[in-house]
Amino acid sequence: KAGVTQTPRYLIKTRGQQVTLSCSPISGHRSVSWYQQTPGQGLQFLFEYFSETQRNKGNFPGRFSGRQFSNSRSEMNVSTLELGDSALYLCASSDGTGPYEQYFGPGTRLTVT
Amino acid sequence: AQSVTQLDSQVPVFEEAPVELRCNYSSSVSVYLFWYVQYPNQGLQLLLKYLSGSTLVKGINGFEAEFNKSQTSFHLRKPSVHISDTAEYFCAVSHNYGGATNKLIFGTGTLLAVQP
Repeated sequence: KAGVTQTPRYLIKTRGQQVTLSCSPISGHRSVSWYQQTPGQGLQFLFEYFSETQRNKGNFPGRFSGRQFSNSRSEMNVSTLELGDSALYLCASSDGTGPYEQYFGPGTRLTVT
Repeated sequence: AQSVTQLDSQVPVFEEAPVELRCNYSSSVSVYLFWYVQYPNQGLQLLLKYLSGSTLVKGINGFEAEFNKSQTSFHLRKPSVHISDTAEYFCAVSHNYGGATNKLIFGTGTLLAVQP
């Protein structure tokens, strides 16, 4: 079975721009969660999607949004980028039926200049 | 609110020595507990998990952890480490909502540095 894939792996953007990151979960998994990892704040939960519906949301401003498609692929969007948005963005997939194993992708490294 | 504390930001240890990485959590409700490992430039890999039952759980790569409810701890141990165990280790908890969410709360991580 193929693992979780995230595209692109690296991204450089300028302040004020917007960015879209993509995550393809493991086949058959219906839950996709997104996390932000920074040296200062560590790993923080952004949101989780299950069957195209947002099931839970972390404490991030409205500039961070996401969606999930019928094939369970998910995208997250960050608008009006700030320098502090520079981070490793990780997505994780699971079958969504319990708090069991979540499989993480390699992440997208976003640098905002 | 839940929180996870990993008191040691870095743990240096010699190869073949035993190691313990400490994790304490705070929660007003029942939780599930996890340890993840992150190698440089990679995502997170699940080492082991505690959901219920036996408080001693065994994971991959020879790691094990013990759930102690009275001390609200979930320390990770390995009897003999290898150079290849050098990585960042994260303890995490999630609420026991009966499966309604997969939200994980992570600790700040412990860098295990294995020296020859």
